[in-house]
Amino acid sequence: GAVVSQHPSWVICKSGTSVKIECRSLDFQATTMFWYRQFPKQSLMLMATSNEGSKATYEQGVEKDKFLINHASLTLSTLTVTSAHPEDSSFYICSATPASRGNEQFFGPGTRLTVL
Amino acid sequence: SQQGEEDPQALSIQEGENATMNCSYKTSINNLQWYRQNSGRGLVHLILIRSNEREKHSGRLRVTLDTSKKSSSLLITASRAADTASYFCATDTGGYQKVTFGTGTKLQVIP
Repeated sequence: GAVVSQHPSWVICKSGTSVKIECRSLDFQATTMFWYRQFPKQSLMLMATSNEGSKATYEQGVEKDKFLINHASLTLSTLTVTSAHPEDSSFYICSATPASRGNEQFFGPGTRLTVL
Repeated sequence: SQQGEEDPQALSIQEGENATMNCSYKTSINNLQWYRQNSGRGLVHLILIRSNEREKHSGRLRVTLDTSKKSSSLLITASRAADTASYFCATDTGGYQKVTFGTGTKLQVIP
């Protein structure tokens, strides 16, 4: 149990376009999901905490108007990278935790974004 | 910002040898977790150790925690080529589910 999926697994887009990434908890409900970004050979950096039914909480230095997060249901959070630029190219990973599993996070497989 | 620093950054060993990775962190924690990431993939949870625990085992994994030194170690015994991956420690400080990742150790196990 506790499976998290992401879609798409990879995306290539032109500079200036917007890209939407979905994160779903398949077999549990998640009132909170987390979005991370990972640049090559680096660790995961938390971007924001996605809260079902309310606004996301962004980490310092993350532009909320550029990275739009919508947590519309207990099993789905979306991250939209607006007006993407080459420097936004990265690996985006989401995670969620079932209420019964405390702080153990379950990660999606990640989405590789390449902005040309 | 990173909470944890891991060392070594990279480790290369022969199959069958033990691999030890260390994680140091800066602030008091509630829990420390270790995760594994295969290249270009998501993360897999390995083990969680609470701040009031000193050692934990899971299969070939052994994790220790020294809160006085703000450090943890992950030992993988009898390593296999399939253990080749990056390993990250992650800490939480009591905030709801939010964890902060360390810099990671890239382990290569040579068959």
